[in-house]
Parts: sequence; C-alpha cells; structure tokens
Amino acid sequence: SYELTQPPSVSVSPGQTARITCSGDALPKRYVYWYQQKSGQAPILVIYEDSKRPSGIPERISGSSSGTLATLTIGGARVDDEADYFCFSTDSTGNDNVCGGGTKLTVL
Amino acid sequence: QLQLQESGPGLVWPAETLSLSCSVSGGSISSSSDYWGWIRQPPGKGLEWIATIHYSGTTYYNPSLKSRVTISVDTSKNQFSLKLKSVTAADTAVYYCARRLGSVVPAGAEHFQHWGQGTLVTVSS
Repeated sequence: SYELTQPPSVSVSPGQTARITCSGDALPKRYVYWYQQKSGQAPILVIYEDSKRPSGIPERISGSSSGTLATLTIGGARVDDEADYFCFSTDSTGNDNVCGGGTKLTVL
Repeated sequence: QLQLQESGPGLVWPAETLSLSCSVSGGSISSSSDYWGWIRQPPGKGLEWIATIHYSGTTYYNPSLKSRVTISVDTSKNQFSLKLKSVTAADTAVYYCARRLGSVVPAGAEHFQHWGQGTLVTVSS
C-alpha cells in the first residue's frame, strides 16, 4: 500500500524556521494537505493543495512541493507552534487517501 | 459559528456495530456546497479518512473500509451519522466528524476545515 514518510521529530529554537518534510512516490502528480494537531485537540488544516492557506492561517506558515517531496515551512517558530504535523495525500490512482506518520515539532 | 458535536457509545463489543452521530449547529447540513465527513485516529497514530457525504445523498468511502461502513444524513435533525459493522480492536480510535473545505479538485484528496472535538470509541469485551 501507498505510504507517506515524515521525520518523527523536528526541533528548532524560537524565532527560527522549521521545515517538516513529507515524501511519497505519487506526490509529483498529487496534492498534499497539512494538518496541525496539538495535544488532546482536533486537527487544524493549515495547508491544502500543496501551498494554499485556509482563512485564519498566518502567512508565516507555508507549503511547497517539488518532485516526491512536500515541505511545510513555519517561519519565526513560536512555542505555541509545538504540535504534531501530519501530511495527507492520495496514491497515484486517487483512490487511497493516506496520512503520513506525523512529525512532532518542538520549539525550545 | 459552525460547530460539530459527535455522540455515541464510548465502548463497543467486538463484532458489533459502532454507531455515531454528528450534530451540526451554526450552519445547515443542507447547504449545497458543503460535504460532511468522518475521520478517525487510533491512539498515537495518524489520521484515517472514513467517508464523506453530501446532503443530496452522494457518498464517498475509503476503499479499505467500504464493505463495513455506512454514512447517512438526516436533514430534519441537521445531523449525519456513521455505522461501522463487525468491529475489532483495530477500530479503537478517536472518531471525528468534520466539514470539508470546498471541493476535491483533480489530483486532490479529502480535506476538512471544521472539526468536532472527537469522541474516543474503544472496542473491547
């Protein structure tokens, strides 16, 4: 079955730029979506269709995708950005919606 | 402000049917542009999309769960529901209901902007 691979953890200092990656063989032809999930809370959609931001998501959060690698970038990281981040996409047929394993972002 | 609230049993016996409802407030489930879905998250794991429905009755299912899942809508109650039959311990998860953000474009995937708080369902005897 199709898989999306994320690093288990990323750590940055406050004010630095955090980059979280998501790799998958179908990404050259499929969009990626990113969710932020804080402990005990429902996920929040922060990026859709590779790079679009839903209303209410700050501009310092951005997304990009090139080849088989998608990247979520959080500029000027804050302690409040600490959360698990999940990428979501489909396989090449579009039939199998798949979620990455998640990346825990630590800002300290 | 749109709010979604899941309800249903927190404990289900193995081989039984899991039934959940999602009540929508602050908006109409009969909006022609809106689609409503169920997503689950096993403890410590990622998200798994289960199914999506439009008030007209159009449905979309995760192929891996399709044989066991039914999603339905009740416009009179402004709510939609999920039934998952023949459950096992692997179905233990937090179940979320949510509203999709717009349409799924070609090359896109299911994606949801407004979520309920989620409800933990444990499958155990």
